Amino acid sequence: DGGITQSPKYLFRKEGQNVTLSCEQNLNHDAMYWYRQDPGQGLRLIYYSQIVNDFQKGDIAEGYSVSREKKESFPLTVTSAQKNPTAFYLCASRRTKNTEAFFGQGTRLTVV
Amino acid sequence: QQQVKQSPQSLIVQKGGIPIINCAYENTAFDYFPWYQQFPGKGPALLIAIRPDVSEKKEGRFTISFNKSAKQFSLHIMDSQPGDSATYFCAASSFGNEKLTFGTGTRLTIIP
Repeated sequence: DGGITQSPKYLFRKEGQNVTLSCEQNLNHDAMYWYRQDPGQGLRLIYYSQIVNDFQKGDIAEGYSVSREKKESFPLTVTSAQKNPTAFYLCASRRTKNTEAFFGQGTRLTVV
Repeated sequence: QQQVKQSPQSLIVQKGGIPIINCAYENTAFDYFPWYQQFPGKGPALLIAIRPDVSEKKEGRFTISFNKSAKQFSLHIMDSQPGDSATYFCAASSFGNEKLTFGTGTRLTIIP
């Protein structure tokens, strides 16, 4: 089945540690996205990528980094510079401009 | 900055009623306006989308109304059911830009 797979579903991190969230898609989509979801704040865009080896900052990129070495993969690293990393992270992809975006099931990150 | 403003934040409607969720945008370059539905612990899924060349679009019990001059669009759910209880997000993007911007979400509860 085609889709987007995020892993892990739950992740715990100690303060000061970097952590990488995985996002893989087999939909052959060019564009991929990372969003952060907090209660009452909707989905805020962290980074997005339109093609391999290219990505742009979203609205809240500080403290995060990404890479796009393969079309299928768009991992997100939450660095120790992110002051409040506890949140629900969603990865999405879409084929071309102004078409449906498909979302993964999300990763819930908790800093302990 | 918030380019898509969504209201209300939460909404309670009796079964069979017609909940209405509103969104307003600022960027006149936006030309794709989707609505997403999200259940707890899951990623959002596309419900219905509209482009600015039409003023209304219906898919089953869901209708989008679009007012280009006012820069507003809304979601109506006909004959609402308890299974429609979810969080709804509006979004917008423009053809020349892959960035997909979401509203803050509306938590809808349909009571029997």
